[in-house]
Amino acid sequence: NAGVMQNPRHLVRRRGQEARLRCSPMKGHSHVYWYRQLPEEGLKFMVYLQKENIIDESGMPKERFSAEFPKEGPSILRIQQVVRGDSAAYFCASSPEDRGVVTQYFGPGTRLLVL
Amino acid sequence: AQKITQTQPGMFVQEKEAVTLDCTYDTSDQSYGLFWYKQPSSGEMIFLIYQGSYDEQNATEGRYSLNFQKARKSANLVISASQLGDSAMYFCAMSRFNFGNEKLTFGTGTRLTIIP
Repeated sequence: NAGVMQNPRHLVRRRGQEARLRCSPMKGHSHVYWYRQLPEEGLKFMVYLQKENIIDESGMPKERFSAEFPKEGPSILRIQQVVRGDSAAYFCASSPEDRGVVTQYFGPGTRLLVL
Repeated sequence: AQKITQTQPGMFVQEKEAVTLDCTYDTSDQSYGLFWYKQPSSGEMIFLIYQGSYDEQNATEGRYSLNFQKARKSANLVISASQLGDSAMYFCAMSRFNFGNEKLTFGTGTRLTIIP
């Protein structure tokens, strides 16, 4: 059973460009979470999605950031007009519909570097 | 709001010794979950252990155990017989409820280095 997949693993963008980060949850998982880890810090929650729905986006910056989880295909975290402060590791995690399962399983992360 | 505090930025431990990583939490919720994750230098996040707020017994998973002291709001991770491969960042985290599909709040982490 494949784990959570994220691509690309590394992404370099110049200031002002767009960054698209993809996440494919574990098979059978319908809940996706995005977290951001700044250098030398812990992970910070950004957004929680189910298929075609944003459940909680309380950690998402109001400007330039958006997320989706379409009916078909991976979840996408999109950062428009990137700035140097967006440089970070972005982790996706997934969990199944069964609320008896508490653990979120993380992908390997995407390291974004903004030049 | 929930808060996790990890007061040890770094620790050095001799191989084969036991190590305790501290974690205290703050929440007004009666129901919550506590987690520990390991992040090796390769960067991935590896789930280690989970404790529910209503669980009366401390959770154990192999060499990992969680020392849960509810009154003190602490959830320390104990690693027995440490190994070189245990060198990594360790993050304590919590969720709002002790069932699934809730966001996690993380601490700032402890960097553990095992000395041969």
